[in-house]
Amino acid sequence: AQSVTQPDIHITVSEGASLELRCNYSYGATPYLFWYVQSPGQGLQLLLKYFSGDTLVQGIKGFEAEFKRSQSSFNLRKPSVHWSDAAEYFCAVAPHAGNNRKLIWGLGTSLAVNP
Amino acid sequence: DTGVSQDPRHKITKRGQNVTFRCDPISEHNRLYWYRQTLGQGPEFLTYFQNEAQLEKSRLLSDRFSAERPKGSFSTLEIQRTEQGDSAMYLCASSAGPNTIYFGEGSWLTVV
Repeated sequence: AQSVTQPDIHITVSEGASLELRCNYSYGATPYLFWYVQSPGQGLQLLLKYFSGDTLVQGIKGFEAEFKRSQSSFNLRKPSVHWSDAAEYFCAVAPHAGNNRKLIWGLGTSLAVNP
Repeated sequence: DTGVSQDPRHKITKRGQNVTFRCDPISEHNRLYWYRQTLGQGPEFLTYFQNEAQLEKSRLLSDRFSAERPKGSFSTLEIQRTEQGDSAMYLCASSAGPNTIYFGEGSWLTVV
């Protein structure tokens, strides 16, 4: 069955430090991949997406992610974290083009940022 | 450029009461979606509209739930005879095509 795994439930980093949030998916073909961020009590904001082409994608707020087919991974990175980045981060997969409404979601990684 | 708007943002209701949430999608988006999210989980798909047509409903959408999009613009989600298990955040989202959906800020429902 298709699945998305975010191995880290909670991560704490210091402000200014680099960040990498892991995401692994289980799917036979190349899926459509997304990272969303959710601040407490808020909806989900799209950070970036990968459909095809360049495997390194740039998103908003200084985030980037790299699709690695050989590792079935789509890890999210940021070179220098800001206190406002503290939030819940969700990786999601759309297993079929045209079926983005039934994204398969990871359980999320909660990011805390120390001053 | 306005995003997806939802109203109310928070609702506390007594068990057995009816509640209605409204969603205004991004103006040029013809696709509209409703999801439910509980703490520590990703969103669960409830239903999907393309223009005014409701094209898909999840099994999660019991007969106490009804969604409408009468003119292909805003949508409402009504929950009748609310139960404590309905307490969750209800997210609306919209898209112009099949690939990238944009979420609203959600409507929190607490059933007491």
